[in-house]
Amino acid sequence: DTGVSQNPRHKITKRGQNVTFRCDPISEHNRLYWYRQTLGQGPEFLTYFQNEAQLEKSRLLSDRFSAERPKGSFSTLEIQRTEQGDSAMYLCASRPPGGLYEQYFGPGTRLTVT
Amino acid sequence: GQQVMQIPQYQHVQEGEDFTTYCNSSTTLSNIQWYKQRPGGHPVFLIQLVKSGEVKKQKRLTFQFGEAKKNSSLHITATQTTDVGTYFCAGQGSWKGVVYSGAGSYQLTFGKGTKLSVIP
Repeated sequence: DTGVSQNPRHKITKRGQNVTFRCDPISEHNRLYWYRQTLGQGPEFLTYFQNEAQLEKSRLLSDRFSAERPKGSFSTLEIQRTEQGDSAMYLCASRPPGGLYEQYFGPGTRLTVT
Repeated sequence: GQQVMQIPQYQHVQEGEDFTTYCNSSTTLSNIQWYKQRPGGHPVFLIQLVKSGEVKKQKRLTFQFGEAKKNSSLHITATQTTDVGTYFCAGQGSWKGVVYSGAGSYQLTFGKGTKLSVIP
């Protein structure tokens, strides 16, 4: 399967711990997005990469969140000092180069902070 | 900031009935996209509308983009149980001169979605 993959699929952590999630986009897609989704809400934009450059971050994003895409392929999202309010589904999406707007979402990582 | 609102939040229909969900943006959009998320699944792209007044059809689904590029709708004719899920619209802001109407140049702003249940 050549879709977007995310690991782990589930993560349970204690408040105050750091967590890191990985996203592997579709191979020829140079654009990558991270979103957060809570129950009953639409995906909320977190950050955007074009190749290895992080071009946009949500103004609402806490400094505890950081993302990287070091070689323009896979990406990682780290949350430091997790809080219970960070519990959510973290979705990654990728998009091919060119004018197409369609985003391909991965299955997500569900984070539970206890 | 840019807001995208969807109504209704929930819709229960008998199989075979029609269904419509509406999407309104607080600002003019450059394009709008529709996604479907099945229970326990992830959003899946349905369509993108770019032109003012655009109408696109996919089998039983009809998508419209308003003349002012601030609203959109999705209509499903004769719903089936396979249509169950949450339908999201997602809008991207637009440039008017040097002023950008969106939340960010690359951001899609999603609505809260309309959850469709189909009673067989």
